[in-house]
Amino acid sequence: GQNIDQPTEMTATEGAIVQINCTYQTSGFNGLFWYQQHAGEAPTFLSYNVLDGLEEKGRFSSFLSRSKGYSYLLLKELQMKDSASYLCAPPSGGYNKLIFGAGTRLAVHP
Amino acid sequence: DSGVTQTPKHLITATGQRVTLRCSPRSGDLSVYWYQQSLDQGLQFLIQYYNGEERAKGNILERFSAQQFPDLHSELNLSSLELGDSALYFCASSVALLVGDNEQFFGPGTRLTVL
Repeated sequence: GQNIDQPTEMTATEGAIVQINCTYQTSGFNGLFWYQQHAGEAPTFLSYNVLDGLEEKGRFSSFLSRSKGYSYLLLKELQMKDSASYLCAPPSGGYNKLIFGAGTRLAVHP
Repeated sequence: DSGVTQTPKHLITATGQRVTLRCSPRSGDLSVYWYQQSLDQGLQFLIQYYNGEERAKGNILERFSAQQFPDLHSELNLSSLELGDSALYFCASSVALLVGDNEQFFGPGTRLTVL
């Protein structure tokens, strides 16, 4: 089975740093995805981690610890346009499908 | 623009009716995925096709069915519609069969409203 846990909502200030955590239990592991979704729009790919450690991509970084079933997304130098939902998705079920967490709704304030 | 197209953008229909949602994947992508996103439930995986064959299933209702055609476009058929089927339906595509290191590109979605 697969249980994915993310905070429901977070708020942060423009220019700050925010960390969005994701914990999961999965029976079939093959890496973890993060997607960003603005309200009413399609999700867009942010990152994929298959090995433990931190992957940095511009203002966004993603960390994975497979032994702890834990990942986080780190957003630096926050901008107003970063206000969105952030979805954590470990692959599951024979690696053919993504199971998304409920997502974390981030609100960035001036 | 992800390169994935979905039609129609909006669909309003009545309970008991049947609708068909259409998806064209990115050029070169063989996998197509369908997701449902309701206000209270987040993004739910429905079904995956790869090169015309069904390869993975999520919590898809028996009233729902899908297929992928030889030109790789896909259709999701929803029948005997209920109020609770009102949702955003997303199609996504990717190059490969397996999810690992295989980014999915999402279409803009079809917003279905059942009255």
